Amino acid sequence: QVQLQESGPGLVQPSETLSLTCTVSGGSINGYYWSWIRQPPGKGLDWVGYIYYTGSTHYNPSLNNRVTISVDTSKNQFSLTLTSVTAADTAVYYCARGGRSYGDYDYWGQGTLVTISS
Amino acid sequence: DIVMTQSPDSLAVSLGERATINCKSSQSVLYSSNNRNYLAWFQQKPGQPPKLLFYLASTRASGVPDRFSGSGSGTDFTLTISSLQPGDVAVYYCQQYYTTPLTFGGGTKVEIK
Repeated sequence: QVQLQESGPGLVQPSETLSLTCTVSGGSINGYYWSWIRQPPGKGLDWVGYIYYTGSTHYNPSLNNRVTISVDTSKNQFSLTLTSVTAADTAVYYCARGGRSYGDYDYWGQGTLVTISS
Repeated sequence: DIVMTQSPDSLAVSLGERATINCKSSQSVLYSSNNRNYLAWFQQKPGQPPKLLFYLASTRASGVPDRFSGSGSGTDFTLTISSLQPGDVAVYYCQQYYTTPLTFGGGTKVEIK
């Protein structure tokens, strides 16, 4: 059974950089698309971006070039970096796997709340 | 960006009755070369991550009960729960993955009447 687990700081200062890692267990990172999706408290879902296991990426333009997603196949992990954060970036951040394409997320992490505050 | 509009925002249905959720995309998500609609449905219960219900608009994900059905093509899609059960109380989201940026509908909250 594939499992995903997000890890990283739960509190980040405004203007600083948010960094999260998703560790994949029970299956290989190879052959799939891997995404980050976020959900502000009490609100809906926002797509952040995805990476293919080969390293190719697509990001949400609404994030104004602040986002980078990278993959480490040797560790079965992929990571999210979001720079110059503001309170608007406060959200539960989920990592997810695209089952057959980059958008049909069949496995999700439990999510991690990241709060942007001083 | 493709805008996904769900209706209603919320609905209350009696146990055993039918629940219908609509999702409309601002442009077609039908890929003409393979005649497939790149539309997914997710169910999210409080404090949990979303769960995939359907992909390609109408292909049921593993383990999803057959009282759930997905239909539609092009720009108009429907998620139907034929006989609402207590465990179906959740927020339901549609999402297009026809093109980036991937976009979600605003969600429909389903409750028991």
